[in-house]
Amino acid sequence: QKEVEQNSGPLSVPEGAIASLNCTYSDRGSQSFFWYRQYSGKSPELIMFIYSNGDKEDGRFTAQLNKASQYVSLLIRDSQPSDSATYLCVNNFGNEKLTFGTGTRLTIIP
Amino acid sequence: KAGVTQTPRYLIKTRGQQVTLSCSPISGHRSVSWYQQTPGQGLQFLFEYFSETQRNKGNFPGRFSGRQFSNSRSEMNVSTLELGDSALYLCASSVGTSNTGELFFGEGSRLTVL
Repeated sequence: QKEVEQNSGPLSVPEGAIASLNCTYSDRGSQSFFWYRQYSGKSPELIMFIYSNGDKEDGRFTAQLNKASQYVSLLIRDSQPSDSATYLCVNNFGNEKLTFGTGTRLTIIP
Repeated sequence: KAGVTQTPRYLIKTRGQQVTLSCSPISGHRSVSWYQQTPGQGLQFLFEYFSETQRNKGNFPGRFSGRQFSNSRSEMNVSTLELGDSALYLCASSVGTSNTGELFFGEGSRLTVL
């Protein structure tokens, strides 16, 4: 089992709808989880982090963490064409190093 | 505030050669991490340096090495290049160790091995 698993997509969502990105991880002891966004030809940038079970909201973005199920998700409300990018799920593997998923490519359709 | 600077941005090498990539972190950042990004594997962790010491190393062969200088600038070296080393090499800096906070990435060095 990979340390962090994501559906590679592509995931196509109509403009204005909710985009739901999912991620599972193998390290039951992981404490920290991050979502990075990477536009085509650009470097990743941090958009959300979450440490506790439950939901964390930041503007149109909501991160959800369920440690019992080893599951992290990112919801993007009112999706915009500028949200089209690859989203990388990242966990703090062994509380020592960051482990990146291979990313989900999201396309927002106008 | 200047971002993370990586040089060179593009380079072409042949099999068997070696290459050195450079990374200048954001001022005040003490950690520099290196990643290899390929379409099939995503971002793979190479190593992290914090205050001139290698803090962690990924699952790469010994041909991949790095170091960090007293001014936090870092270099990575790949010796005896193989075709499979063709990739985008990203470095990222952070204030503390990489697992504790936000990573700021450079634009990457794209290596092509012929």
